[in-house]
Amino acid sequence: GEDVEQSLFLSVREGDSSVINCTYTDSSSTYLYWYKQEPGAGLQLLTYIFSNMDMKQDQRLTVLLNKKDKHLSLRIADTQTGDSAIYFCAFPREGKLTFGTGTRLTIIP
Amino acid sequence: DAGVIQSPRHEVTEMGQEVTLRCKPISGHDYLFWYRQTMMRGLELLIYFNNNVPIDDSGMPEDRFSAKMPNASFSTLKIQPSEPRDSAVYFCASSQDSATNEKLFFGSGTQLSVL
Repeated sequence: GEDVEQSLFLSVREGDSSVINCTYTDSSSTYLYWYKQEPGAGLQLLTYIFSNMDMKQDQRLTVLLNKKDKHLSLRIADTQTGDSAIYFCAFPREGKLTFGTGTRLTIIP
Repeated sequence: DAGVIQSPRHEVTEMGQEVTLRCKPISGHDYLFWYRQTMMRGLELLIYFNNNVPIDDSGMPEDRFSAKMPNASFSTLKIQPSEPRDSAVYFCASSQDSATNEKLFFGSGTQLSVL
């Protein structure tokens, strides 16, 4: 099976919260990452969480980590049109960063 | 710093032609990565360099692909001969050192179309 799984699509109304989920099969990494890819651009590091933390908050972003269930999520509060992008979770594996399939977030006006 | 710079932004070529993609990493970054992104396969790591030396090229699809890094400020990815299935967006990324090589800075990519 896939090492890292994400839902491909998510649609959210402007102003609502978005929750993007990611499950993984194996990670001994110190950090776990969320990258954002805007249309026509490369990926940008959005946020990350240290593996011994359960939660990290950074302004409108909240990262939740459930190591027991191997589940990582990204919550975006008060979703705006500028949040439209593809969001990738990423984990170091065998010295390299492994990316999820990406979740395309669409904002409904 | 201008960030990671890739050229060209778009490349359209015919099957069988040679294609060369170029990348200038961020100054001072020791690691350089080449990725390929397609709808079917997502984001794939092709090869990465540390201090200009190729470390892992296990992701390179086949002998038609080659990558070089002649100096710290320049890398190329070459496809010869190109095939329609090579059509994809190719990204170059760089990172600062081994402690932070998970925090990648990506270029804007080269959209390659092989007809």
